[in-house]
Amino acid sequence: GAVVSQHPSRVICKSGTSVKIECRSLDFQATTMFWYRQFPKQSLMLMATSNEGSKATYEQGVEKDKFLINHASLTLSTLTVTSAHPEDSSFYICSANPPASYEQYFGPGTRLTVT
Amino acid sequence: DAKTTQPPSMDCAEGRAANLPCNHSTISGNEYVYWYRQIHSQGPQYIIHGLKNNETNEMASLIITEDRKSSTLILPHATLRDTAVYYCIVRVAKGAQKLVFGQGTRLTINP
Repeated sequence: GAVVSQHPSRVICKSGTSVKIECRSLDFQATTMFWYRQFPKQSLMLMATSNEGSKATYEQGVEKDKFLINHASLTLSTLTVTSAHPEDSSFYICSANPPASYEQYFGPGTRLTVT
Repeated sequence: DAKTTQPPSMDCAEGRAANLPCNHSTISGNEYVYWYRQIHSQGPQYIIHGLKNNETNEMASLIITEDRKSSTLILPHATLRDTAVYYCIVRVAKGAQKLVFGQGTRLTINP
């Protein structure tokens, strides 16, 4: 099946710094990718839809200036958590659909810890 | 909001069939039923999907009621590695559509 990768798998950063998370579709092109966040013992919550070549669409309550999304190519979307705070500590997961596919493939996730 | 309802947790003995129910009483005619699972600290994994007919693949079977208001995911011979949170999601079939996750069912397979 299709593969979606994320980098890094784990990151620890200090409060106030910024962190970039990469999401790549390894064997297909994706004009749209999705970013989810998952807090411990909770379900996945969609943060935003990343659109290649245009602005991302953010879900209600998600600060677009804090969670910067760039989808510069058909195989790469990045999520930058700016001025991170401990409450941003979470599991961040991306996903993408191969063209005309029924299946959405998820990356392995990135665990962010802000100290 | 998620459009599905699932029991929060279930237990099943290893080697037995695990039957996971899902209610989706407001499903639209063009929406499919999808099942994903998430093993601890990993990204979700696609299992199966269907519209109105029963479906089977190498991982599981999906039984959808005739009125399409509920479905059951069946893992025929559960193993310890099937311990995960299982999510039932309804969405239109193709294309890049966002997925709305409910709380899912935490399935524990016991030796």
